[in-house]
Order: sequence, then structure tokens, then C-alpha cells
Amino acid sequence: EVQLVESGGGLVQPGGSLRLSCAASGFTFSSYSMNWVRQAPGKGLEWVSYISSSSSTIYYGDSVKGRFTISRDNAKNSLYLQMNSLRDEDTAVYYCARDGEHWGSYPFDYWGQGTLVTVSS
Amino acid sequence: EIVLTQSPDFQSVTPKEKITITCRASQSIGNSLHWYQQKPDQSPKLLIKYASQSFSGVPSRFSGSGSGTDFTLTINTLEAEDAATYYCHQSSSLPRTFGQGTKVEIK
Repeated sequence: EVQLVESGGGLVQPGGSLRLSCAASGFTFSSYSMNWVRQAPGKGLEWVSYISSSSSTIYYGDSVKGRFTISRDNAKNSLYLQMNSLRDEDTAVYYCARDGEHWGSYPFDYWGQGTLVTVSS
Repeated sequence: EIVLTQSPDFQSVTPKEKITITCRASQSIGNSLHWYQQKPDQSPKLLIKYASQSFSGVPSRFSGSGSGTDFTLTINTLEAEDAATYYCHQSSSLPRTFGQGTKVEIK
């Protein structure tokens, strides 16, 4: 059974930093690209970032470019999101979601349960 | 950026009814359109991939159609457990985008 479990969320002041983690199990993590998607309270879904299976290809949404860094450790079956210079508008539940085995057009077929990040003074 | 516009934003229906949700893309995306269901306080779950392919384990009452710019999610014989918000999502180009969501309430 595919499982994705996020952790690392919490309350942080504007301008602060936070590192999210996503632990994967039930599939060959090193074969799949991964994404971070966020959802502000009461709002819709917003794609944040993509990383290929080998970390050779990385993309970011414009709203986080230059502030967030996606990474992965295939030996630990883990995905990460380093979030710096946090703003109030970054407040959201952050989900990790599985992509395809190569860069291309794929649905996000499995999602974690999410971790809440609250940016507030 | 490809904008996905869903309609309606909200629909209140009785059990056993059939409902249709549409998703219109701002430019052609072929069949790179997927549908998700999100129940309150849960993460999204994939229902339909590539416009019309059912994902594993999804009940047969859920179906999708369309290509290019116009897509449809149909739920036949609605059940109480189908109360949720439904999102379309395009994987044709970056940035990946989602529709604004359609909330389905069961009367």
C-alpha cells in the first residue's frame, strides 16, 4: 500500500523558516517524481514544486520561487521542502503527492494527509 | 499559465441523482486532465485520470469525458458518501494548475 506521511509543520513567524518532510513507503520511491501541493484554509489547491526521481529536474511555482527548496533522499525514501522567508500567505496545509516515473503528463495519484504550516506573529 | 474554470461552484443534490461538473481550460490540453475528490478534513484522492480513465478502486458511478478544452465529470446515482469538493487538474504544462473546485452537498 502506497503511503505518504508529511511532518514538520507548525507555527512560524513571518520571515522565518521551516522544513517539511514526507516519508514514503509501499512503492519504489527512487523511481517516481514527487510534488508539493498546498491548500490555504478554506481555499483550493495550489501546486508548489516538482522534483524528478533523480533530483535532476526541479520546478517551482512563481509564488515560492527563490524562497522554497525541494529536495529528496532516495536512500531514506524521503521528500523535503525547505521554506525560507515565510509570509502570511504561505499559511496552508502542505501535501506531498506522487507524480509519474518520468517527466511528462501524469496525475498526482497518491497524496499524503498533509501538514499545517501557520505563518503568524 | 493554463487556467481551469469549473462550473458550478456549488451544487446541492438528492441521493440517486445524476450530476455533471464541467472544467474548461484556457487553452487546449489534449487529455491531460484529471479529477480529484476531497472530503472535509481529508487529502484529495484521484478519481479519473487522462480525462476518462478510472483510477483503481474508484466506483463505476464516477466517469469522465472530454478533450481539448472542455471536460466533464459525471456522478451517476449519487450516494451520501459522495459529498465532497471536486477538483480538476491539468498536467499538460507548467505550472500545474487546478480548477477552483465544485462543492457537492447532499440534501
